[in-house]
Amino acid sequence: AQSVAQPEDQVNVAEGNPLTVKCTYSVSGNPYLFWYVQYPNRGLQFLLKYITGDNLVKGSYGFEAEFNKSQTSFHLKKPSALVSDSALYFCAVRDMNNNAGNMLTFGGGTRLMVKP
Amino acid sequence: DAGVIQSPRHEVTEMGQEVTLRCKPISGHDYLFWYRQTMMRGLELLIYFNNNVPIDDSGMPEDRFSAKMPNASFSTLKIQPSEPRDSAVYFCASSRGLEYTGELFFGEGSRLTVL
Repeated sequence: AQSVAQPEDQVNVAEGNPLTVKCTYSVSGNPYLFWYVQYPNRGLQFLLKYITGDNLVKGSYGFEAEFNKSQTSFHLKKPSALVSDSALYFCAVRDMNNNAGNMLTFGGGTRLMVKP
Repeated sequence: DAGVIQSPRHEVTEMGQEVTLRCKPISGHDYLFWYRQTMMRGLELLIYFNNNVPIDDSGMPEDRFSAKMPNASFSTLKIQPSEPRDSAVYFCASSRGLEYTGELFFGEGSRLTVL
């Protein structure tokens, strides 16, 4: 079985400061890892993914995430937060070796609040 | 491409009424997913299709819920009869096949309120 944990319900950060949104995962095989963002009254939007290769992945809107296999983590980061980054962020995992289908498992979401 | 299209965006109905939510996936995507989002339970996978065939419906809460995909460009999620606890935002998402990396593309959602 595959699972994702986002330990923080909410992260508060001041505009201009760096931000980190945490994610840990569990899969039996090798993971495909994803981050999505959801703005109010909108659907989830794809931000970035890790498939293989460089552990530091860069995505949309200046976000990046670091894959750490030993810690089974995939934390989302941004060097300088903007008020417009305030949204709900979801981490998701797919087991590359999972023959049960093209299913992503999502974490519970972390609300990011960036204050001016 | 226009992305995943869902309708209606908002639906308010009374308990006991039938509700039908609609989804048009991205052309060329052969996987389609229905999710439900609530404050209490977060994002839940209800059912997904591959090449119009239901693969896993274990997330469908009960027999009042049904989903169909009559062709590659259209799917429906039906609730009959509806109950207040069905109030939620229902998302449709599509993706390309297993040989790809599998990121999902979501619609804007259908917000259902059952009174």
